[in-house]
Amino acid sequence: GENVEQHPSTLSVQEGDSAVIKCTYSDSASNYFPWYKQELGKGPQLIIDIRSNVGEKKDQRIAVTLNKTAKHFSLHITETQPEDSAVYFCAASYSGNTPLVFGKGTRLSVIA
Amino acid sequence: KAGVTQTPRYLIKTRGQQVTLSCSPISGHRSVSWYQQTPGQGLQFLFEYFSETQRNKGNFPGRFSGRQFSNSRSEMNVSTLELGDSALYLCASSLGVSGYEAFFGQGTRLTVV
Repeated sequence: GENVEQHPSTLSVQEGDSAVIKCTYSDSASNYFPWYKQELGKGPQLIIDIRSNVGEKKDQRIAVTLNKTAKHFSLHITETQPEDSAVYFCAASYSGNTPLVFGKGTRLSVIA
Repeated sequence: KAGVTQTPRYLIKTRGQQVTLSCSPISGHRSVSWYQQTPGQGLQFLFEYFSETQRNKGNFPGRFSGRQFSNSRSEMNVSTLELGDSALYLCASSLGVSGYEAFFGQGTRLTVV
């Protein structure tokens, strides 16, 4: 089955700097890659996703890139703000057939 | 529109008891998936229901079961609770199938003592 590795497990950045979180997946059939943000006491919130027919997707300060050959995808957050502090999860699935498989999460701390 | 609603938010149960958790998906969503979240194991898939049928099942013992009603609301049941069942149980709803654009509820925090 699918296995998703996520790095780093913790990340501290200064406010205004960029943050990058990386994930690798094992199943080449996976074609849907969402990212979730989980704040304390809340459920995961879908912040951006990408399908395998696209190499990059942007939404304001966040972007996701996908390298199908290498089977890895990354989340990029620019101009970080204290409210970006949370745990971020990547996931992978073969949409329409398999459930989401999640990485272990990255705890991002943005220091003001 | 309203998001995914999970009830109750918190539960404390004793070993050996059973528990039922409820999830109301976003209006119009027909798929409901359940996940267990623990610090050690992260988010692990329990099962998925679509139009009242179980489509996928994760690697959990038979003590964990679920169902979906005709209005897409879903329940999960855990029988003979063990200390290790203490976790945050999350429900996610999708318009279509298997996690595509899945939106999570706030979860039910279950503590087994």
